[in-house]
Parts: sequence; structure tokens; C-alpha cells
Amino acid sequence: GQQVMQIPQYQHVQEGEDFTTYCNSSTTLSNIQWYKQRPGGHPVFLIQLVKSGEVKKQKRLTFQFGEAKKNSSLHITATQTTDVGTYFCAGQDSSASKIIFGSGTRLSIRP
Amino acid sequence: DGGITQSPKYLFRKEGQNVTLSCEQNLNHDAMYWYRQDPGQGLRLIYYSQIVNDFQKGDIAEGYSVSREKKESFPLTVTSAQKNPTAFYLCASSTDYETQYFGPGTRLLVL
Repeated sequence: GQQVMQIPQYQHVQEGEDFTTYCNSSTTLSNIQWYKQRPGGHPVFLIQLVKSGEVKKQKRLTFQFGEAKKNSSLHITATQTTDVGTYFCAGQDSSASKIIFGSGTRLSIRP
Repeated sequence: DGGITQSPKYLFRKEGQNVTLSCEQNLNHDAMYWYRQDPGQGLRLIYYSQIVNDFQKGDIAEGYSVSREKKESFPLTVTSAQKNPTAFYLCASSTDYETQYFGPGTRLLVL
């Protein structure tokens, strides 16, 4: 069945450093979504990528969808304490009627 | 306000007891989902429903049951057959398998 792997599991950075999390699918995806879950909270939708090679930016966040539509990345430039949380990717297989979530990357930041 | 509500926020279960978690949405979404999240872990799909009176098992359906009698409501029952129910339960809804909107979650603890 479809699997979505996400690395790293944890990332601890100094405030101001950059951060990247990677997502890889065992199958070609029709789209990929990214969510952020603050500690003690629930996942909140950040963005959806649909096109091969697509790149989208939200302020300091840059999202990429691979050419083969099997991988994606989220890059945060100059992290701030407000970026703390767990970032999940979620991929939808073109033949599936559900979305598969990655295991998440937990970001912690040293002030 | 539009959104998803879950109740209760905390729930305690005694040995051998069935408990029901409520999930209501007023977003007019067709699809609804239940996820389980264990500490420091990702989201695992329990059940999902794409239309009223129809639902499908997810990856970890054993020990759980659901119903979808109304479009707005998708309650989850944790039965006594679920031997390790302590977790954070998240309900979500979406339209056409797109963005998932999550409720605030219910934390289930076993006494």
C-alpha cells in the first residue's frame, strides 16, 4: 500500500538557523499537503501542491513538489520561536480516496 | 462560526467500558475522518466516511466503531475491545479529498 515517509523525525535548531523537512512517497501523488501542529494543538493546513516541480512560498516558508510527484520538502528560512511544532506532509495517491500522513518532523528552537 | 467541534476535550474510560467521542462540523463537507495520535507520533487513520450512511475502515479500525447518520456528525465509539485506547483523537472533514480541517481533539485516558 501507499506509504509516506518523512525525515528527520526531530530537528533542534538555534533561532535564526534554517530548517528543512523532507517527504517521500512510495507511489506517485496527485497532490501533497503540509500541516503544522503546535504543541498541544491540532494540525492546521498550510498549503497544497499539485503540479510537478511546483514551488510555493509563504513568507519564510518554501514548499517544493518533486518533478516525479513522489517527494516534497518544506524549508523555513531564519527560524523563529513561533515556528515550533510538528510539520506533517500528507499525500493523496491518484487512485486512493484518502490522504496518507507522514510521521511528522518535530521542530524545536533554542532562543 | 464555521468549523469542527469535538467533545469532550478530555475523556476517562474505565476497564471494559465503551465510550463515544463526538465530532460535529458545519462546513457542509461530505467527507469526515477519525485519526489517532499517540505521544510524539504521527496520525493514523481509524475510519473515514465520504457520504452519509457509508464509512470505510482505515489502518487501525479494530476496537473502534463509527456511524454517519447525518452529514454534520461522525461519532466514534471506542469499544472495550480496544486494549490500548489512551491517545489523542482527532476528527477532520474535507471536500473532495482536499484540505482537511481538524477539530481541537479529544484526549482519552484509561483509569
